[in-house]
Amino acid sequence: KNEVEQSPQNLTAQEGEFITINCSYSVGISALHWLQQHPGGGIVSLFMLSSGKKKHGRLIATINIQEKHSSLHITASHPRDSAVYICAVRSVNTGTASKLTFGTGTRLQVTL
Amino acid sequence: DAGVTQSPTHLIKTRGQQVTLRCSPKSGHDTVSWYQQALGQGPQFIFQYYEEEERQRGNFPDRFSGHQFPNYSSELNVNALLLGDSALYLCASSTGGKDYGYTFGSGTRLTVV
Repeated sequence: KNEVEQSPQNLTAQEGEFITINCSYSVGISALHWLQQHPGGGIVSLFMLSSGKKKHGRLIATINIQEKHSSLHITASHPRDSAVYICAVRSVNTGTASKLTFGTGTRLQVTL
Repeated sequence: DAGVTQSPTHLIKTRGQQVTLRCSPKSGHDTVSWYQQALGQGPQFIFQYYEEEERQRGNFPDRFSGHQFPNYSSELNVNALLLGDSALYLCASSTGGKDYGYTFGSGTRLTVV
């Protein structure tokens, strides 16, 4: 079992829909990242969370440390949101380094 | 303010050859981490460099080695290339050996034939 699991693996939505992507992890963490990867490779960091909730534009990220679960929500989805969304965690056991462990990603396709 | 720059963007090599990939961190960042992303998979941690030393290493063989220069830029070297080394290699920079402000480059796509 992977340390970081995401669901769903693939998601197709119509423009305007509310989207939720889930991330569960099995290790103690000091931080969790939500990342966006467009075709061709480039990765953009959307959020870094250690507790609670963060909002940026139409994106909302929440984390429940006790339940070891995080969600990324996209409100009023748009075709330009089509990308792979990746959850990555920083384990508390990484010592002084900051290695991230990644989920396999959720491929989102938003259609008109 | 330049972000993370990786070169080359694409590379084709033959089995058994050696390859060097390069990364320049975001301005103000001093820590560089390297990841390998196979097709359809999430990135896997290779190693991290801070203060010109390898701080931590993932589960990769010794064929994978690296270096960090005094200007914080970094190289990833892979010797005796295998077909399975074909992947997108991502560099990420941050500060102080931590992951605050983690910034990724666009990656180098390596194809081994």
